[in-house]
Amino acid sequence: DTEVTQTPKHLVMGMTNKKSLKCEQHMGHRAMYWYKQKAKKPPELMFVYSYEKLSINESVPSRFSPECPNSSLLNLHLHALQPEDSALYLCASSQGGTRQETQYFGPGTRLLVL
Amino acid sequence: SQKIEQNSEALNIQEGKTATLTCNYTNYSPAYLQWYRQDPGRGPVFLLLIRENEKEKRKERLKVTFDTTLKQSLFHITASQPADSATYLCALPAGSGYGQNFVFGPGTRLSVLP
Repeated sequence: DTEVTQTPKHLVMGMTNKKSLKCEQHMGHRAMYWYKQKAKKPPELMFVYSYEKLSINESVPSRFSPECPNSSLLNLHLHALQPEDSALYLCASSQGGTRQETQYFGPGTRLLVL
Repeated sequence: SQKIEQNSEALNIQEGKTATLTCNYTNYSPAYLQWYRQDPGRGPVFLLLIRENEKEKRKERLKVTFDTTLKQSLFHITASQPADSATYLCALPAGSGYGQNFVFGPGTRLSVLP
C-alpha cells in the first residue's frame, strides 16, 4: 500500500471556525509533512514530523497547529484563519532516517476561508 | 539568496518529440535532487531521484542528469505523449544537503500536442 489519504477533500470555513485536516499512511514511514500550495505555485513546506516529533516548523503562524498522534496519522488543526490561507494543503510521508528521502503525497485538501 | 529556477513556466512540444526541462539552483548544496509530476488538483507524484555522484539516471522514457558544478539538473521525456502533459517539479533538500526541509522549484507546465 503506497497510498497517503487525506480528509476531507474540500473544506469551507469561516474565519472564526475551528477545523482539522487529517492525513494517514500505512507504509511504515516515520517522517510526515504538511505543505501549502497556492494556485500555479509550487508546494511550500510548513511542518515536518520525524519519528512523531516536530522537527521542522517553517515559521508557520500559530493559527496552524500540527499534531502527530502516532506514526501513521498527522493532523493539522486550523483556527482563526484568514482568507489568504485558502489553498491546497498537501500531506506527504517518507521513510525517515535515510539519507535520500522520497516523498509520497496525498491528494490534498482544498481549503476555502471565507 | 537561495533560489531554484525551472527553465520556463510552460513548454509546448509535438507528440513523439523529446521534452527537456531544466532545473537550476543557487546557494544550495543538495546531496540529491528529485523530480515530481503534478496533475491539476492532485498531489505531486515522485518520478526520479539522482544523487550528487551520479551523472545520469533513467526510468523507461525518462532521463535525468545532475551537474553539481553547473548547479543544474536536466529532465528529459523521450517519445513524448499527450498523457505526459502535466506540471513537472524539481525538488531538493535545503539545509545540510540531506535534510527533510524540501524546497520545490516553480515547476514547468508541459503540454504535449497530438
